[in-house]
Amino acid sequence: AQSVTQLGSHVSVSEGALVLLRCNYSSSVPPYLFWYVQYPNQGLQLLLKYTSAATLVKGINGFEAEFKKSETSFHLTKPSAHMSDAAEYFCAVSDPTGFQKLVFGTGTRLLVSP
Amino acid sequence: KAGVTQTPRYLIKTRGQQVTLSCSPISGHRSVSWYQQTPGQGLQFLFEYFSETQRNKGNFPGRFSGRQFSNSRSEMNVSTLELGDSALYLCASSLDRAETGNTIYFGEGSWLTVV
Repeated sequence: AQSVTQLGSHVSVSEGALVLLRCNYSSSVPPYLFWYVQYPNQGLQLLLKYTSAATLVKGINGFEAEFKKSETSFHLTKPSAHMSDAAEYFCAVSDPTGFQKLVFGTGTRLLVSP
Repeated sequence: KAGVTQTPRYLIKTRGQQVTLSCSPISGHRSVSWYQQTPGQGLQFLFEYFSETQRNKGNFPGRFSGRQFSNSRSEMNVSTLELGDSALYLCASSLDRAETGNTIYFGEGSWLTVV
């Protein structure tokens, strides 16, 4: 079965610092991987997705993620954090039995201090 | 174009009652799926509908059900509500082009509180 592990339920950074949110996946087949962001009292917004076209994926708001098959990882990064990046971030993998079925990680709350 | 629309946004129900939540997908999207989000269990897949047929189902009791109409709009129903059903219920839609790892778009969610 597919699964996703997000290391760190909370990550704190200073404004302007590098953001690194970790995601490791388990999949029996080549996966489709996603990062979503959730702001308070809102739904999920897609940041980026990996669909095997390129290992380095660029998303919205300056985020990017690199797919590393050897490490089964899909970590999310942003060179310089902004206060507006404070939110909860979810990594997800498509279930091969149904591509509309996502298996989510437990989420990482990003805190950005001035 | 309009995103995924969910109604109502907030509702409070009493234990034992039933509730119906509604979802309008993005125009042209034929796949609609539902997720439950709670602090304890995180985001969990409930079910997915395509062309009025349930294609996938998560590990939830039979009290949770859904349906999809010919215009792709979907409803989910929870009967005999329990306190543990308090959650954010998210609806998502997609084009259903699996070979491209289609993007799944989420609505703002319906906040259900059971008292």
